[in-house]
Amino acid sequence: LAKTTQPISMDSYEGQEVNITCSHNNIATNDYITWYQQFPSQGPRFIIQGYKTKVTNEVASLFIPADRKSSTLSLPRVSLSDTAVYYCLVGNNNAGNMLTFGGGTRLMVKP
Amino acid sequence: DTEVTQTPKHLVMGMTNKKSLKCEQHMGHRAMYWYKQKAKKPPELMFVYSYEKLSINESVPSRFSPECPNSSLLNLHLHALQPEDSALYLCASSQGEAGRYSNQPQHFGDGTRLSIL
Repeated sequence: LAKTTQPISMDSYEGQEVNITCSHNNIATNDYITWYQQFPSQGPRFIIQGYKTKVTNEVASLFIPADRKSSTLSLPRVSLSDTAVYYCLVGNNNAGNMLTFGGGTRLMVKP
Repeated sequence: DTEVTQTPKHLVMGMTNKKSLKCEQHMGHRAMYWYKQKAKKPPELMFVYSYEKLSINESVPSRFSPECPNSSLLNLHLHALQPEDSALYLCASSQGEAGRYSNQPQHFGDGTRLSIL
């Protein structure tokens, strides 16, 4: 079971870069790492997904070291609207092979 | 705007009522999911449908009954619910069955907020 561990909460200020790290020591060979963002009263939204090294899109970057036991979501120059809960998920190779949400990180961006 | 549409957005029902939650997607996705989310908690997987067949039931009580009439629609029938079933119910879809075949990311609706009196 590829369980994930993230910080419960983080604070930042507008314009700063935010890095949220997720630990997944038991990640399986075929698992991908996926990050979602969730605002209050909305469903989670896909941000980025990766398997190894670095992935970048218009919203964020994802850094994955060679051992894949952790990953870091990097949000450049955050704004107030980035205040949300961020979830890190890995493919679950248990019987159901499904994705399981961990506790998530509650990011608060202040002016 | 989300590509997965859930109705109703809010639902209040008594413990003896029967109601249904509906979910629709037109992205051609063949996997659909129901999640339950309590306040300040992560979503918890309830059911997975893959190619219109029930693939996963995460030991959900029988008072929740899923149905997939076709590849675009997913229903969750509710009967004799308990107050602790009050939560946000999220529907999601993905191109393949996430984590099993393709690791495709899931697309979520904005949920139905359910309150049981």
